[in-house]
Amino acid sequence: AQSVTQLGSHVSVSEGALVLLRCNYSSSVPPYLFWYVQYPNQGLQLLLKYTSAATLVKGINGFEAEFKKSETSFHLTKPSAHMSDAAEYFCAVSESGSARQLTFGSGTQLTVLP
Amino acid sequence: GAGVSQSPSNKVTEKGKDVELRCDPISGHTALYWYRQSLGQGLEFLIYFQGNSAPDKSGLPSDRFSAERTGGSVSTLTIQRTQQEDSAVYLCASSQTLARGLFSGANVLTFGAGSRLTVL
Repeated sequence: AQSVTQLGSHVSVSEGALVLLRCNYSSSVPPYLFWYVQYPNQGLQLLLKYTSAATLVKGINGFEAEFKKSETSFHLTKPSAHMSDAAEYFCAVSESGSARQLTFGSGTQLTVLP
Repeated sequence: GAGVSQSPSNKVTEKGKDVELRCDPISGHTALYWYRQSLGQGLEFLIYFQGNSAPDKSGLPSDRFSAERTGGSVSTLTIQRTQQEDSAVYLCASSQTLARGLFSGANVLTFGAGSRLTVL
């Protein structure tokens, strides 16, 4: 069975600092992995997705994530945080590649301090 | 439309009342999903519609929950005899499903802003 664990329900960083949001997954087959972002009062938006083409995936707004099979991780990073990055971030996994079998993590609320 | 529209954005109801939540997906998207987001929880899959196929209802938590999709477009999620534990944000998403098993860019979910339900 597939599952996702996001470590840290709340993360605070200073503007300009590195952003690191942690995601570990469990999957019986090579997974498809996703990061979504939810800004206040908006729907979820796809940041990036991993589909086995490359282990380092670049997404929108300067975010990237690296798939590490040995660590079963797919952590999200951004070198320099911006105030506009404040939002809730969700990691998700799908073993089959089917959106109907997408399992989401519990989310990490990112706060960016001035 | 340009995005997935959900209404109402906020709904406060009394325990025991029925509620209906509406989702208008992106035009041309054949797949539609309902998720529930409870406080401090991840997104919980509720139901999935794909074209004219029978819906996948495996995520519905009880028989008080039902959903329909008319004409392959607009969907309504109905919760009967609401309970306080039904309080959550209900999210709708749609996607344009392509070939079987592929998760291409066009097969990624686009979410609405959600309907926040509060049961008193």
